[in-house]
Amino acid sequence: DAGVIQSPRHEVTEMGQEVTLRCKPISGHDYLFWYRQTMMRGLELLIYFNNNVPIDDSGMPEDRFSAKMPNASFSTLKIQPSEPRDSAVYFCASSLLGSYEQYFGPGTRLTVT
Amino acid sequence: AQSVAQPEDQVNVAEGNPLTVKCTYSVSGNPYLFWYVQYPNRGLQFLLKYITGDNLVKGSYGFEAEFNKSQTSFHLKKPSALVSDSALYFCAVREAPGNTPLVFGKGTRLSVIA
Repeated sequence: DAGVIQSPRHEVTEMGQEVTLRCKPISGHDYLFWYRQTMMRGLELLIYFNNNVPIDDSGMPEDRFSAKMPNASFSTLKIQPSEPRDSAVYFCASSLLGSYEQYFGPGTRLTVT
Repeated sequence: AQSVAQPEDQVNVAEGNPLTVKCTYSVSGNPYLFWYVQYPNRGLQFLLKYITGDNLVKGSYGFEAEFNKSQTSFHLKKPSALVSDSALYFCAVREAPGNTPLVFGKGTRLSVIA
């Protein structure tokens, strides 16, 4: 299995621009999680889905952030407009119902200038 | 609310010596505890978990962790450190079974010196 796939691996954009991060979970996994990692705050959950339905989005920092999962094999995290404080590494993870482990993608390093 | 504390930002150990990375947790119910490792420019990799049963849990790459309910701790250990063990280590907890999200500690950077 290819594991969780994220794209792009690196994104540099200017403040005010729209940013879209993409994730392909492991085939057959029922749950998908988006996390953000920063030096100051560590690893934070943003949102998670079960069977493509958002279950908890209380970690999404503000209305500029949105996430979708149109099908079982694809999810996006969008930031519009982006701000310098959004600079972080964004991870996607997936898991299988009944399994305790989460499998992480390599992350997208976002830099907003 | 559940939480995890990793009291050390950095741990340095000589190659061949035993290592310990500390973790304490707080949950209202039974804890489900995890250790993950992150190598540079990589995602988190699962090392081991405690769900129930034996308090000493063995995981990948020779790592083990001991669950101590009275001290609410789940320290990661390895008898003999390797330089290749140098990485960022995260402890995580959830207090419900199944696939609820994990709550992570801030991470501990382990440096193994040759």
